[in-house]
Amino acid sequence: QQQVKQSPQSLIVQKGGISIINCAYENTAFDYFPWYQQFPGKGPALLIAIRPDVSEKKEGRFTISFNKSAKQFSLHIMDSQPGDSATYFCAASAAGGYQKVTFGTGTKLQVIP
Amino acid sequence: GAVVSQHPSWVICKSGTSVKIECRSLDFQATTMFWYRQFPKQSLMLMATSNEGSKATYEQGVEKDKFLINHASLTLSTLTVTSAHPEDSSFYICSAGRTGSSYEQYFGPGTRLTVT
Repeated sequence: QQQVKQSPQSLIVQKGGISIINCAYENTAFDYFPWYQQFPGKGPALLIAIRPDVSEKKEGRFTISFNKSAKQFSLHIMDSQPGDSATYFCAASAAGGYQKVTFGTGTKLQVIP
Repeated sequence: GAVVSQHPSWVICKSGTSVKIECRSLDFQATTMFWYRQFPKQSLMLMATSNEGSKATYEQGVEKDKFLINHASLTLSTLTVTSAHPEDSSFYICSAGRTGSSYEQYFGPGTRLTVT
């Protein structure tokens, strides 16, 4: 019940295209859904996060779409750039979980020129 | 703000020796810190949760006597890998949860441990 399922495992997108990564969760206690970006040899960095009281959050080229009833959320990267090439992790946590984060399996994104 | 540092960034040690990794929150207080392990091309695996001034809570399957965690202050947690073996070689990442926040957690840059 603690799992967060993420797909696809890898993704190749052309420069300027839209990258879409999907995640699903089972634990209804989760109430905070961050996305992290990780470059090789570096720690994850928080990219954008959403609470379940909204269905969408946008920050620059990055948008989270959230479907509470389906227990699914996704990351959309608009106008993808080669510099976006990284591994992306969705995650989930609960207010009562003392900041403990459950990670998805990761998506390796490659943006080709 | 919200910077977490780790030291060292990489370390090579011989089998049987111990290695200590430090995790510091530089500009905020962190009551809770987390230690993760990451194998190549895999997700982060939570090893343990440490709370300032109390014993760490280890995830199932993580040897507490092998991975010693100390969280002596609100800005410093340490992970000591004791009697290291080649299979302990991995990327170790810490994160720090901002005191007073239910969600805010910031990650360090990671430490690459290689045991020869």
